[in-house]
Formats: sequence, structure tokens, C-alpha cells
Amino acid sequence: AQSVTQPDIHITVSEGASLELRCNYSYGATPYLFWYVQSPGQGLQLLLKYFSGDTLVQGIKGFEAEFKRSQSSFNLRKPSVHWSDAAEYFCAVVFSYSGGGADGLTFGKGTHLIIQP
Amino acid sequence: NAGVTQTPKFQVLKTGQSMTLQCAQDMNHEYMSWYRQDPGMGLRLIHYSVGAGITDQGEVPNGYNVSRSTTEDFPLRLLSAAPSQTSVYFCASSYGEGNEAFFGQGTRLTVV
Repeated sequence: AQSVTQPDIHITVSEGASLELRCNYSYGATPYLFWYVQSPGQGLQLLLKYFSGDTLVQGIKGFEAEFKRSQSSFNLRKPSVHWSDAAEYFCAVVFSYSGGGADGLTFGKGTHLIIQP
Repeated sequence: NAGVTQTPKFQVLKTGQSMTLQCAQDMNHEYMSWYRQDPGMGLRLIHYSVGAGITDQGEVPNGYNVSRSTTEDFPLRLLSAAPSQTSVYFCASSYGEGNEAFFGQGTRLTVV
């Protein structure tokens, strides 16, 4: 079955430290991959996306993500986090043109990022 | 540029009451969706539309109705509210599957 897994429910990182948030999917082909961020009380904002080509994708706010086909993963990274990065992060996947609704997105359950001073 | 606008931002309903959550977008997007967000569950698709006059069910459609009479608007109706419908609801629009989805600010609904 098609699925998206974010194995870490919470992650705590010190300000200035590096960050990696994990995302794995289960699917027989390469899907479209997205990372969204949700600040408290806000809607979701797109950080970056991968459709094809270079497997290292640059996004907004200094984030990047790497697609690894062999591991069915699309992990989000940032070299040095800021207190303003504290938020909920969602990995989302479009598995095919026939499923998932209008925009085709299937979301992971999210990772809550806490920044320690 | 307003993007995706949801109203109201907060709502408290009594069990059995009905209401409509409004969603409007000004980007001329054909594709619109409704999601609900519950703690630890991520976002789950309720209903979606690929154009005016066309709607379909998502993962959790029970208890909700939608219609799409115009490109801009995609209201979500709760016919008889239940405590299980207490959630945060998000409307999203996009140019189509695989394109960036733009989200509204959400409606926090409490059913007592």
C-alpha cells in the first residue's frame, strides 16, 4: 500500500545546530515529493519539492532535501537552525495521477521541531 | 493577493447543528481540496474538486458535503455536527496534481 512515514514525532535541536528530518515512502515508482512547514496557528507553506533531476533540492529559509531512490527517502536538512524554525514539518507525496485528491497529496503525520536556546 | 481565504477562523457548535465552512481562492486554480488536521494524524483529505461542478470524496468524507458552483469557492458543509468532527480544517488550492498546493489559515472547529 502507498504510504508516507515520518518516524520522528518530536525532535529537539539546539539553536545553531544542524537538523535532519526523516521521510520515507512506500511506492513502486518515484513519486512527487514535498516538504511543508506549519507555524503555530498558521496554514501550511511549501518549503521545497522534488519531481525529477538533481536529487538534492534547495528550498526556502535555507532548507534542502535529498531524494534517495534506493532508500525511498526524502530527508529534510538545514545546516544551522534558528529559533524561528520551531514548527511542525510535513512530508507529502503525490503517488500517481489517479489518487490522492485534487492536488494528489498524501501527508505524513508530521514532525514537531523544538529549538532549544 | 489574498490567496486562499477561509472563514470563520474559529467556531463552536453544539452536537446536531449544521454549518458551512467557507473557502475562496483568487488564483484561478481549478483544483481545490478540504483537509482536516487532528493531533498525531497529519492532514487527511475530506473532499476535493478538479473544477467547477466536479467533486469527489477523499479519505474521510462521512458527515461532510461539498459543492463547487464557481472556480473561486469551495464550501464545506457539516450536516449534523458530532464531537468527532472537532478538528482544524484546511482548504487548499492548486493548478493541479503535483503542483504546489496553497493553504488557507485554517478553521478551528469545536463541537460540544
